[in-house]
Amino acid sequence: GQNIDQPTEMTATEGAIVQINCTYQTSGFNGLFWYQQHAGEAPTFLSYNVLDGLEEKGRFSSFLSRSKGYSYLLLKELQMKDSASYLCAVRGATNKLIFGTGTLLAVQP
Amino acid sequence: DTGVSQDPRHKITKRGQNVTFRCDPISEHNRLYWYRQTLGQGPEFLTYFQNEAQLEKSRLLSDRFSAERPKGSFSTLEIQRTEQGDSAMYLCASSSGAGGMEEQFFGPGTRLTVL
Repeated sequence: GQNIDQPTEMTATEGAIVQINCTYQTSGFNGLFWYQQHAGEAPTFLSYNVLDGLEEKGRFSSFLSRSKGYSYLLLKELQMKDSASYLCAVRGATNKLIFGTGTLLAVQP
Repeated sequence: DTGVSQDPRHKITKRGQNVTFRCDPISEHNRLYWYRQTLGQGPEFLTYFQNEAQLEKSRLLSDRFSAERPKGSFSTLEIQRTEQGDSAMYLCASSSGAGGMEEQFFGPGTRLTVL
């Protein structure tokens, strides 16, 4: 079976750091993606990991451990505009993406 | 060309009617995907094309759903005899087919409401 788990909701304070976790069990693994989705809008690409370790991209970093089936997205220096849903997705043996339910992040002043 | 476009953006229909949605991918992207997203959920894969060939269909895609990509460019998704459970956001995405990271770029979606 295919299963991707992430917390449903998180709250954080402007200027702080937040870590959104994702665990997965999929048949085949060909990379893990993080997307950001604002309400009523399309998902937009944030990061990609295929090898173990940390990928850093400005205020956003993503980590992968394939042996543990685990990833996290780290957002630093939070801004109000970071309030959105964050989607963890695994690309399996084919090219389709299998998404988690998304984590709704609320950034408070 | 600035991205993936979808038409219409919103569609309200009565149960039992047929609807058709269109997706125009990023130019020269040879892979095109359809996903469905309901409130509070992540997108669910429906089907995928490489050029004009439909390579994979989800078991979610009942025989009321059909998708085409006749010339390997734009794609259409048709839902026949719509049901209230079909109400969702239908997202189209495209990718280059180059392998590696091969990010999927999403369109703005078509929001379907079945009354």
